[in-house]
Parts: sequence; structure tokens; C-alpha cells
Amino acid sequence: QQPVQSPQAVILREGEDAVINCSSSKALYSVHWYRQKHGEAPVFLMILLKGGEQKGHEKISASFNEKKQQSSLYLTASQLSYSGTYFCGTEALSGNTPLVFGKGTRLSVIA
Amino acid sequence: DTEVTQTPKHLVMGMTNKKSLKCEQHMGHRAMYWYKQKAKKPPELMFVYSYEKLSINESVPSRFSPECPNSSLLNLHLHALQPEDSALYLCASSQADRGVGTGELFFGEGSRLTVL
Repeated sequence: QQPVQSPQAVILREGEDAVINCSSSKALYSVHWYRQKHGEAPVFLMILLKGGEQKGHEKISASFNEKKQQSSLYLTASQLSYSGTYFCGTEALSGNTPLVFGKGTRLSVIA
Repeated sequence: DTEVTQTPKHLVMGMTNKKSLKCEQHMGHRAMYWYKQKAKKPPELMFVYSYEKLSINESVPSRFSPECPNSSLLNLHLHALQPEDSALYLCASSQADRGVGTGELFFGEGSRLTVL
């Protein structure tokens, strides 16, 4: 089942912060985050595993609330290079279910 | 080498043509994937090969036929496609161990397919 991402789109000025949310109705084994720039392939940002954790990647970090089956991606002090579409992907805890991507959040950082 | 290489980058074909998309990785990954992506949509899983065996087929029409000749190569054979099959086809690989989740996906740049 496809995870739900919010917001669908966000526009930021350089230096501003943003939060992108991802939620699932299923118990999750993992949450993945990818960024895709226009005309390019998706690029891996991070994976968060069951057990509830927080990870950081430069000025981009994420958390996973296992009880709520929700993950949030935090972008701090945004840079122009952060522009793109962010996809979360989720793997359910039960069954041999593959990674399913959410519909994406389009992030535009302007000067 | 952390690259997934896809060829061709662009392909235009008629509905009666037969063509193939190719994907190669030399990272020793044992899981390889085909995704289809339409404009402004997320990648949609088509097939997964694990240890050179087809492990997931997401109810893809038979006009798409995957093949995994060895652990480094993945092909997608196309025949009698429809205009609505026009999309970006992404190949990916991961170091997924059996039963331990997908792991980090390394995507190729994709093959942009147009069906006339």
C-alpha cells in the first residue's frame, strides 16, 4: 500500500527549513528517502529501520516513529541544490512486500 | 564502481517492433530491479530479480519480458507495446540479502521510451 506524503509541494528561500512527512497504514520494517532532480535518476538519502531511529546526512536528517508508522525528513538551512522531488518508500513488516514509493514532494529552493 | 549503466538512453519504437533495454552493474549486487516512471509520478516497481531468479512480478503485462543472464546484467524485452507504455524505465540494484529488506537502491539514469 502506497505511503502518504505531505506536503505535495513546498517553496523555500535559501536558508529556510522544511519538513516532509510520510505515513503508512501498515506496520513498517523500513522507510527509505530518495531525492530526484528533474531529468535525473532518484538518489538515495537514507534508510530508517524498525526500532524507531533518527539519522542524519549533512543538513538533512530523518526520524521514524515506529508507533505511528510515520517518518519525517528534515531539511535545514536549505540550499539551491536541495531542489527536487523527494520520495519516501516503505517496506511493510509482514510478507514479502517490495518497497513502495509515495507520490513525492516537490521542493523548490529559490534565492 | 558504484554505477548502474542503462542503454539506450532514448528509444522510439512502433507498436509492432521488438526492442530491448539493457542494464549492467559491477557492484556485486545480487538484487536487480526494473521500475517504470511516468512524468511527475513515483517510480513504479515492475520486476525484481534476486540471485538471478525472478522473485517479484508486479502483474506486468506479458508484452514486457525481463531476463537476467547473469548477476551483472538485466534486460527488459519489449514487444507489441502500446503508446501508454511510453515512460522512463529505470533499472536499479541493491545489496539486498535474502529476506532482509531492499537496502539502498542504486538507480541507473534510465531509458526514455516513446511508443508511437
